[in-house]
Amino acid sequence: NAGVTQTPKFRVLKTGQSMTLLCAQDMNHEYMYWYRQDPGMGLRLIHYSVGEGTTAKGEVPDGYNVSRLKKQNFLLGLESAAPSQTSVYFCASGSAGGPVFIQYFGAGTRLSVL
Amino acid sequence: AQSVAQPEDQVNVAEGNPLTVKCTYSVSGNPYLFWYVQYPNRGLQFLLKYITGDNLVKGSYGFEAEFNKSQTSFHLKKPSALVSDSALYFCAVRDTDSWGKLQFGAGTQVVVTP
Repeated sequence: NAGVTQTPKFRVLKTGQSMTLLCAQDMNHEYMYWYRQDPGMGLRLIHYSVGEGTTAKGEVPDGYNVSRLKKQNFLLGLESAAPSQTSVYFCASGSAGGPVFIQYFGAGTRLSVL
Repeated sequence: AQSVAQPEDQVNVAEGNPLTVKCTYSVSGNPYLFWYVQYPNRGLQFLLKYITGDNLVKGSYGFEAEFNKSQTSFHLKKPSALVSDSALYFCAVRDTDSWGKLQFGAGTQVVVTP
């Protein structure tokens, strides 16, 4: 059981370049999330999705776009990368229903923007 | 708005000694609280949760957490720390909406020395 898989694991971009991070989950979860992790700031929510075809903004959405065309996949796009987007990106998924929303995380993507 | 605070950037403890990682919360309504652990170069792993009921919650790997409503705290504890417990620990609180979003603390680095 793979759980939540993120690709790629590492990436180096030049300022202005674009890229897409892929998140795939095999647990049939309705909800998916993208976070960024920066030292001393914990995890901050970028965008999230509560179902196929639906997305919403989180705490720090500027400079990012997302798509959820299939239930199992959640894509995070950077249209024009900036050095401020250097970070570690985590995807998570969770199942709807009840108060217990445990989120399951991928291993992360380490992105450097030069 | 829901929030959590982790007042310590780092906790140092000798192997075999008790370990405590502090977390305080600020919520409107009933708090849904979580602890996650992140090992080096890995994603976050769920440790335990408080939804309602007993104030002492038991979780994975011998960890437990004590919910204290009067002090608005949810401290993580382990009676006897192991070197393998060295990791980054995050406290989180669930948002009041229905989408399972979490607000994370900044994280506390735990260092267990032999």
